[in-house]
Amino acid sequence: DGGITQSPKYLFRKEGQNVTLSCEQNLNHDAMYWYRQDPGQGLRLIYYSQIVNDFQKGDIAEGYSVSREKKESFPLTVTSAQKNPTAFYLCASSIGLNEQFFGPGTRLTVL
Amino acid sequence: AQSVAQPEDQVNVAEGNPLTVKCTYSVSGNPYLFWYVQYPNRGLQFLLKYITGDNLVKGSYGFEAEFNKSQTSFHLKKPSALVSDSALYFCAVLAQAAGNKLTFGGGTRVLVKP
Repeated sequence: DGGITQSPKYLFRKEGQNVTLSCEQNLNHDAMYWYRQDPGQGLRLIYYSQIVNDFQKGDIAEGYSVSREKKESFPLTVTSAQKNPTAFYLCASSIGLNEQFFGPGTRLTVL
Repeated sequence: AQSVAQPEDQVNVAEGNPLTVKCTYSVSGNPYLFWYVQYPNRGLQFLLKYITGDNLVKGSYGFEAEFNKSQTSFHLKKPSALVSDSALYFCAVLAQAAGNKLTFGGGTRVLVKP
């Protein structure tokens, strides 16, 4: 998990509420990614950014938004439009086509 | 579209015995293949990768994987499993034709019994 931090570790959301998950890296990586992991399933890509001030939708972007104003930071907002947000969220970063380094994750639960 | 299949949801092995976790892939162009391990409530840890060169790749913690182009497989192996190897293992593929996005398999849970 070294080099990438995610906060908070646990997050609880009420119905209709937007919440923001933090992801910070000090690896000087250009690319950053957000994944969602559900029990018994693999990781699914939400959004990714290959450079500051630019990002692309992944496979399941609906109900989520991101920003990339700084190289080190890639926050993810889970909006009220995401109907089933309870999941484990993982942030990662990489250089080019090399392996991705993952943060420790944030577990989001809808109350 | 690229895809990864891990046909076994769980693999059980006795400590000291060989461990194999299977992975097959489908991708356009040359694949970049990766194995990751995940312990409970943690992020993924990188084990090894194949990009080009020797088909047998050695990685962390005594793991290795063999790239087989004709069978489109990239099976993970360890000659002698440890109880501490019990975890969730993910195979992943990346292709430039798919916009450099990483696609993960569904994961295989490994249980090593003492």
